[in-house]
Amino acid sequence: LAKTTQPISMDSYEGQEVNITCSHNNIATNDYITWYQQFPSQGPRFIIQGYKTKVTNEVASLFIPADRKSSTLSLPRVSLSDTAVYYCLVGSWTTSGTYKYIFGTGTRLKVLA
Amino acid sequence: DAGVTQSPTHLIKTRGQHVTLRCSPISGHKSVSWYQQVLGQGPQFIFQYYEKEERGRGNFPDRFSARQFPNYSSELNVNALLLGDSALYLCASSPQGGELFFGEGSRLTVL
Repeated sequence: LAKTTQPISMDSYEGQEVNITCSHNNIATNDYITWYQQFPSQGPRFIIQGYKTKVTNEVASLFIPADRKSSTLSLPRVSLSDTAVYYCLVGSWTTSGTYKYIFGTGTRLKVLA
Repeated sequence: DAGVTQSPTHLIKTRGQHVTLRCSPISGHKSVSWYQQVLGQGPQFIFQYYEKEERGRGNFPDRFSARQFPNYSSELNVNALLLGDSALYLCASSPQGGELFFGEGSRLTVL
């Protein structure tokens, strides 16, 4: 199972773009990369998922280089409400419905006014 | 539509007791997984169930057990509670493949 490594914490100011990089050197061929956001005492919330190159949705972009050994979550123009812990997960489903997602320690993002 | 619901939201137990935590997945989701989150750490995978069968197990002792019912709801049981079992227990449901939908968790305190 692929283990992920992320920076422990980051600070940013409102309106800035924030990029959080995750390292997953032993990612498997079938693994997807997924990012979650978690606020204190709440369950994690899905942000974005990708397999390769670039994925964009209404809240974030995910950049994955060709070797897929790392990925970068990009949050455009962050606000104070984006202060949270961000987790990078690597995992896949088998045809029998099995999965096992490994959460790392996450990155604590603090957005300052 | 209702999201993933967990009960109870908070509970306090003493060492040696047992606890049962419950989870109702999103309608149509056949897979449920359980995670333990100790304060300041990321969620740790405990179990995954799909179509009422155990499909995955994390590195937890046999004191932890779970099951999934025909309606796809699930229970997590922990016996012989230890102080170190104090944590937020998260349940997530998913359709086959892809995104996990988490509940708000059950906060267990062991005294």
